[in-house]
Amino acid sequence: RKEVEQDPGPFNVPEGATVAFNCTYSNSASQSFFWYRQDCRKEPKLLMSVYSSGNEDGRFTAQLNRASQYISLLIRDSKLSDSATYLCVVDSGYSTLTFGKGTMLLVSP
Amino acid sequence: GAGVSQSPSNKVTEKGKDVELRCDPISGHTALYWYRQSLGQGLEFLIYFQGNSAPDKSGLPSDRFSAERTGGSVSTLTIQRTQQEDSAVYLCASSFTDRSGYTFGSGTRLTVV
Repeated sequence: RKEVEQDPGPFNVPEGATVAFNCTYSNSASQSFFWYRQDCRKEPKLLMSVYSSGNEDGRFTAQLNRASQYISLLIRDSKLSDSATYLCVVDSGYSTLTFGKGTMLLVSP
Repeated sequence: GAGVSQSPSNKVTEKGKDVELRCDPISGHTALYWYRQSLGQGLEFLIYFQGNSAPDKSGLPSDRFSAERTGGSVSTLTIQRTQQEDSAVYLCASSFTDRSGYTFGSGTRLTVV
């Protein structure tokens, strides 16, 4: 089983749509979880941390299910500028982070 | 500095040559990481430095790869006798702690011809 698995997409959605991405991880000892965003030919940028209680930042909501080892990201009211690849990131248990390969989102007018 | 700085931004080198990539982390960040990303692939961990501790080199793909971090700040990744499969974007990141989110530099795009 891969350490961090994501559906590569692409997810094609119209502006204003709600879209959800999921991610599963294999290391039950992981304690830290993040979503990063990566634009084409750019470096990854931290979008938000993911907490056990779930957390929201504007149009973005992240959820963590430790029992199922599952993380989600919900984007409401999608904007053209949300088009990017979204990386699910989990700590490896060895002081480093393991990155998923990402889910591509394309928001169209 | 305000962000993680990497140089050069692009490097084209001939197969068999050595290259050095530089990373200047955010001031005060004790943890520094090197990753690489090949075209269309995910990020691959290479090496991790934390303060004065011995680095975690478990991700280095071969003994042609080495890295050092001088004075707990600037880091240099060296690739000896480059091969075409070394072509990738090499990303450096730093963080306050080893469990907080990273801030990445803009990377060095290495092309081996």
